[in-house]
Amino acid sequence: QKEVEQNSGPLSVPEGAIASLNCTYSDRVSQSFFWYRQYSGKSPELIMSIYSNGDKEDGRFTAQLNKASQYVSLLIRDSQPSDSATYLCAVRLGGGADGLTFGKGTHLIIQP
Amino acid sequence: DAGVTQSPTHLIKTRGQQVTLRCSPKSGHDTVSWYQQALGQGPQFIFQYYEEEERQRGNFPDRFSGHQFPNYSSELNVNALLLGDSALYLCASSGGTVGELFFGEGSRLTVL
Repeated sequence: QKEVEQNSGPLSVPEGAIASLNCTYSDRVSQSFFWYRQYSGKSPELIMSIYSNGDKEDGRFTAQLNKASQYVSLLIRDSQPSDSATYLCAVRLGGGADGLTFGKGTHLIIQP
Repeated sequence: DAGVTQSPTHLIKTRGQQVTLRCSPKSGHDTVSWYQQALGQGPQFIFQYYEEEERQRGNFPDRFSGHQFPNYSSELNVNALLLGDSALYLCASSGGTVGELFFGEGSRLTVL
């Protein structure tokens, strides 16, 4: 049974600080990892994808992957109130034909 | 460039009825996946269509079926609706080998 675990939160972070979101996965052979942002009542929006161990940066967002520890994280620098949302971690076992397994999401609140 | 479009956005059905949801993929994408998202949960993979065939399926009963048309658009059909089928149904499209998924706004189904 493939599982993706996230702390449901809420995670409260002051505006301007770094928000750190974490995710663990159970299937060691997972190949692709994604972070989605979902505002209340809206659909998930892709923020980052990462496929190799290490860090990947895109603007204020940094994704970190450690396959040995089966751990993936998302850092949001200079957090803004507009970053308040639910962040979903998703994992794909193999190639593009495989469906994504999602965690339940972490509810992030950025306090002005 | 149009993104993923879904219809209808909201619908209400009663137990035992049947429903059809529709999806047009993002321009240039040839693969369509369907996900079910219950309140407070992450999306769950239903199935994926490529070249008009179901390529992979998640853990959903045969009441859930689909179709992909030559123009890559897709339908999700659910028969014999149960109260537990109430959820947001998300269509996602992808293309190429990277397999990043882009979601539509979803169809919110309420079963009474």
